[in-house]
Amino acid sequence: AQSVAQPEDQVNVAEGNPLTVKCTYSVSGNPYLFWYVQYPNRGLQFLLKYITGDNLVKGSYGFEAEFNKSQTSFHLKKPSALVSDSALYFCAVRVSYQKVTFGIGTKLQVIP
Amino acid sequence: EAGVAQSPRYKIIEKRQSVAFWCNPISGHATLYWYQQILGQGPKLLIQFQNNGVVDDSQLPKDRFSAERLKGVDSTLKIQPAKLEDSAVYLCASSLAGGEAYEQYFGPGTRLTVT
Repeated sequence: AQSVAQPEDQVNVAEGNPLTVKCTYSVSGNPYLFWYVQYPNRGLQFLLKYITGDNLVKGSYGFEAEFNKSQTSFHLKKPSALVSDSALYFCAVRVSYQKVTFGIGTKLQVIP
Repeated sequence: EAGVAQSPRYKIIEKRQSVAFWCNPISGHATLYWYQQILGQGPKLLIQFQNNGVVDDSQLPKDRFSAERLKGVDSTLKIQPAKLEDSAVYLCASSLAGGEAYEQYFGPGTRLTVT
């Protein structure tokens, strides 16, 4: 069975500072990893994905994520946080022939 | 391009009543998903369609939930009869294909409150 853990319910960061939202996963097989963002009263929006190749993946709005196979992690990062980045962030994992599994989400609060 | 459309956006019903949700995916997307998102949790897949065929409905409570995707485009999700624990946001998503590498595009969701 596959699973995703987002160990922090909430992350607070000052505007302009770097941010990290953590995600670890457990799968049998090669993982396909995704980050989505959810703004209030809206559906999830795709940010980036890791399929294969370069461990550092760049996505929308200046976000990037690093795939670490040995630590089974896929942390989301941004060098300089904006107030508009405040939202709910979901990590998701999928392996071949399996449905996608989402984490419970991490609320990012960027403080002006 | 137009995104995934869902209606209604909000619905309040009493327990034991029935309700239906509608979804129109992005044009050309073969795969359509329905998710249930309970407050404080991540989305849980209810059913996945590939064109008009069901790929995965293993987490769909089939005694009360049903879904169809006639003609491989629009889809409806029905709950009959509703229970209090069905209160959640129901999200529809679509992807170009059903493979594991494809990202999903989500609609705004329907917030269902069962009283």
